[in-house]
Amino acid sequence: GAGVSQTPSNKVTEKGKYVELRCDPISGHTALYWYRQSLGQGPEFLIYFQGTGAADDSGLPNDRFFAVRPEGSVSTLKIQRTERGDSAVYLCASRSGLAGHTDTQYFGPGTRLTVL
Amino acid sequence: AQSVTQLDSQVPVFEEAPVELRCNYSSSVSVYLFWYVQYPNQGLQLLLKYLSGSTLVESINGFEAEFNKSQTSFHLRKPSVHISDTAEYFCAVIPMDSSYKLIFGSGTRLLVRP
Repeated sequence: GAGVSQTPSNKVTEKGKYVELRCDPISGHTALYWYRQSLGQGPEFLIYFQGTGAADDSGLPNDRFFAVRPEGSVSTLKIQRTERGDSAVYLCASRSGLAGHTDTQYFGPGTRLTVL
Repeated sequence: AQSVTQLDSQVPVFEEAPVELRCNYSSSVSVYLFWYVQYPNQGLQLLLKYLSGSTLVESINGFEAEFNKSQTSFHLRKPSVHISDTAEYFCAVIPMDSSYKLIFGSGTRLLVRP
């Protein structure tokens, strides 16, 4: 079956612009995560959705970052007034939500964001 | 707070040699432990995980890891590596009192040479 998909695969923007990154989780998965991976680092948690609501947004670095999941499936990560330090690979992961910690998180291929 | 340390950023090894990728963690609460692998130009994939029970866990492609609570370690081993094992390996934990978010180490690049 289809895995987690993310669009676009690459996004180049200019400092100060607004960007949206999209994640399509595995069908039926209720839990969705966003992570950010900077060069040479492991992924860092940004936000977690259970259904439509953000259950944990403690990883969002500041109020320029916002994410939504209005219908409990597709999620959009929104970054306002982008800065060069926002350049990274943004990863999305989903899990079924049926068994909590024992569910595997399945990752998408990521969106590589470059802020010039 | 929790943290995961992978001291080796890169491990070069010859084909058919054994390998160990080290992982240590720090946490004030109990954790679940994971190894993820990222092959070139591919996304992160789960390699193996420890949730409870036997402290030795195995993957389908010959890797194994052992949870050592006293040393807070979860080292990954393989007795004989293949060229196809060349990848980035990430150790991660999920704190049991959290929203099941993964906390990753900085990764170890395994380079298998012929």
